[in-house]
Amino acid sequence: AQSVTQPDIHITVSEGASLELRCNYSYGATPYLFWYVQSPGQGLQLLLKYFSGDTLVQGIKGFEAEFKRSQSSFNLRKPSVHWSDAAEYFCAVGAWANNDMRFGAGTRLTVKP
Amino acid sequence: GAGVSQSPSNKVTEKGKDVELRCDPISGHTALYWYRQSLGQGLEFLIYFQGNSAPDKSGLPSDRFSAERTGGSVSTLTIQRTQQEDSAVYLCASSLEPRQGIEQFFGPGTRLTVL
Repeated sequence: AQSVTQPDIHITVSEGASLELRCNYSYGATPYLFWYVQSPGQGLQLLLKYFSGDTLVQGIKGFEAEFKRSQSSFNLRKPSVHWSDAAEYFCAVGAWANNDMRFGAGTRLTVKP
Repeated sequence: GAGVSQSPSNKVTEKGKDVELRCDPISGHTALYWYRQSLGQGLEFLIYFQGNSAPDKSGLPSDRFSAERTGGSVSTLTIQRTQQEDSAVYLCASSLEPRQGIEQFFGPGTRLTVL
């Protein structure tokens, strides 16, 4: 079965600084990859997804992620972080055939003024 | 259209009592999932329903946990004889059937507190 590792439990960045959240996956077939964001007290909202094609995908709120098959990674990036980006971020990998999705443990982002 | 809804949004109960949590998936979504999110933890998969197939119960932590899905739509997660360690946010998600769509749409969750 597939699995996801988010190596960073907690990251702090200054407002306006760039951001990269790491995600590594393990899956034997073509992965379907997702990033979700969970703001305090909220449910999970999809930021972006990768199914096939261009390995650099754009999402909402100015986020992007790059799929690197050779590194089994799907890192999330944002060039300039806003205070409202403070939240929990989850990476997930799914299997198309049976909708089996596995989530990482999440990375909590704190934004310093 | 309406998203995934869950009720209640908050539930406080006493240790040993039974609780029922409800999830209304997006209309037309045949797949439904339950997750548990404990304080500071990631998402813990509990159970997965797909159409009329037998549910995948592999994530249920104990036999005190059960879930059903009536008419292929609404689902109820039941926790019997609640324990303090059951305190968590319980999230429900739905998606299209396999090979039609994999993205999961999440409800706002039910925050369960066991005193």
